Parts: sequence; structure tokens; C-alpha cells
Amino acid sequence: DAGVIQSPRHEVTEMGQEVTLRCKPISGHDYLFWYRQTMMRGLELLIYFNNNVPIDDSGMPEDRFSAKMPNASFSTLKIQPSEPRDSAVYFCASSFSGVGRSGNTIYFGEGSWLTVV
Amino acid sequence: AQSVAQPEDQVNVAEGNPLTVKCTYSVSGNPYLFWYVQYPNRGLQFLLKYITGDNLVKGSYGFEAEFNKSQTSFHLKKPSALVSDSALYFCAVRDEGSGGGADGLTFGKGTHLIIQP
Repeated sequence: DAGVIQSPRHEVTEMGQEVTLRCKPISGHDYLFWYRQTMMRGLELLIYFNNNVPIDDSGMPEDRFSAKMPNASFSTLKIQPSEPRDSAVYFCASSFSGVGRSGNTIYFGEGSWLTVV
Repeated sequence: AQSVAQPEDQVNVAEGNPLTVKCTYSVSGNPYLFWYVQYPNRGLQFLLKYITGDNLVKGSYGFEAEFNKSQTSFHLKKPSALVSDSALYFCAVRDEGSGGGADGLTFGKGTHLIIQP
């Protein structure tokens, strides 16, 4: 399996611009998560989906952040407008809720390194 | 509420010596426990997990972890450290009864493991 695929891997953008991060979860997984990692705050859960439906977005920092999952194989995290404090690594992750060896384990993508200047 | 603590920000071990990275947890029900490793500029990689069964769990790269219910601990161990084990290690926990699938996973702040040649 190819694992969780994220794009872009690196993004440098100017303050005020729109940023869109993309994610393809592992095929067959029914949960998708967006995390943010910073030195100051560590790993934070922003939002997660179950069967393409947003379940908990309480971690989304503010209205500038939005996430969608139009189908089982694609999700986006959008920041509009972006600010320097949004600079972080954004991870997409997915999991399968069923039983078995891989059940209940979250698998992470390689991350999108975002720098807002 | 569930929580996980990694009491050491950094652990230094000489190559060839055994290593231990500590993790304690708090959940109201039965815990599902996980260890992840993050190499520089990479995503989190799943190492091992405890769901039920044997208290000693073996995982990738020669790592193992021991579930101790009375001490609410799940320390990560390896008999002989390699320089390539140097990375950031995360412990994570979720309550068996918290929602469906793998949502509700709480991560620790991470422990930097440094293996000295």
C-alpha cells in the first residue's frame, strides 16, 4: 500500500494568501484526521472525519481554517487568509475502525511543511 | 478524560546499551496504547500497540513495550540501542470505549531519544 499521501510536501506563501493542503488516505480506511505540529504546541488534532463526514472540528483554530472530504479518497485543509502563525507541519492520517491487525491504528502521511512569510 | 505523560523531554543512551522511554497514562476504562516514532522531517511512523492480551508487545525495529496496568505505564524498550534509533518518540492512548474506530487518540508531548556512538 502506498500509505497516506499528502501534497504539497513544502509550501512557502505570503501572508494573506490562500493555502490548500491535500490528502489521499489509505484505501479502505474510514477515518481521516488532520493534525498540526509545532514546536510550541506539539501535535494537535484539528479535525477528523468518519465515512467522509466531519465528526469533530473543535481543534480547528479559527474560521480561517476549513476542511472538506468530498469522497473516501480525498480531503483538503484550507487556510484563507494565511498568517505567519499558521506556519507548521500539517499531517493527514487515516485509520480503519474494524478488527484485525491494523484496526484502530492511525497511519500518518509525511506531512506538509507550511511557511507563511 | 484521558491523558498520557512522557516525563522525559530527552533521553540519552550510549550505543549498544538498553534503552527505555517512559510513558504513563490515565483513562477511565481499558486503554489502547500506542508508540510512534518520528524521524527528522518525516511523519509519525507506527511502532507498536497494546490492545489486549500479552502485556509484552513487540514491534518494529526491535522495539518492545510492556503494559503495566497497576502502574498505568507503557514504557518503550530496546535491548541494544543503535545510533539510527535517534528520533522523537510519541506515546498515545485512547479509552476502549471512546467512540468508534481510532478517534479520541491522545498523544504525549514526545521524547527525544539520542543515541551516542
